Amino acid sequence: KAGVTQTPRYLIKTRGQQVTLSCSPISGHRSVSWYQQTPGQGLQFLFEYFSETQRNKGNFPGRFSGRQFSNSRSEMNVSTLELGDSALYLCASSLGLAGTLAKNIQYFGAGTRLSVL
Amino acid sequence: SQQGEEDPQALSIQEGENATMNCSYKTSINNLQWYRQNSGRGLVHLILIRSNEREKHSGRLRVTLDTSKKSSSLLITASRAADTASYFCATDNRGAGSYQLTFGKGTKLSVIP
Repeated sequence: KAGVTQTPRYLIKTRGQQVTLSCSPISGHRSVSWYQQTPGQGLQFLFEYFSETQRNKGNFPGRFSGRQFSNSRSEMNVSTLELGDSALYLCASSLGLAGTLAKNIQYFGAGTRLSVL
Repeated sequence: SQQGEEDPQALSIQEGENATMNCSYKTSINNLQWYRQNSGRGLVHLILIRSNEREKHSGRLRVTLDTSKKSSSLLITASRAADTASYFCATDNRGAGSYQLTFGKGTKLSVIP
């Protein structure tokens, strides 16, 4: 079974630009979560999507948005980039099914490293 | 906000030694998980312990959970150079319908051959 695929792996943007990151979950997984990882703040939860609906959201400004498609693939968008948005963005998928602890195990992609200049 | 706090922040040991990492958290949890991250890559799930369990084993890994102290420990026995990575604890303290994991800042483990 293929793992979680994130594209692109590396991205360089300038302040004020916008960026879209893509995540393809493991086949059969309906939940996709996004995290931002920086040396200072560590891993911070951005949002989680399940069946095309945002089910949970972290404490990030509205410049950070996402969506999920009917095939469970997800995209994350950051508008008006700031220097502080430079980070490793990680996507994780899980079953997301009720009634089993398996839903809580998240499978991570390799991440997209975003550099904002 | 960070739920878990790992300690120590960095740990350096010789190959063959045991490595112990600790995690403390603040609120009640449903379960606690440990993940490993090799430099700049994605996280890999290692082990999950439920809130009503006290100890769990998986291969060379042993995890304990003390909900009264809101703490957990991860023990890696007979460490290998390939165990060099950062280790994170993550708590699942979800309400209904929420699948958010809250991660600590991690322990960076270096195993010297």
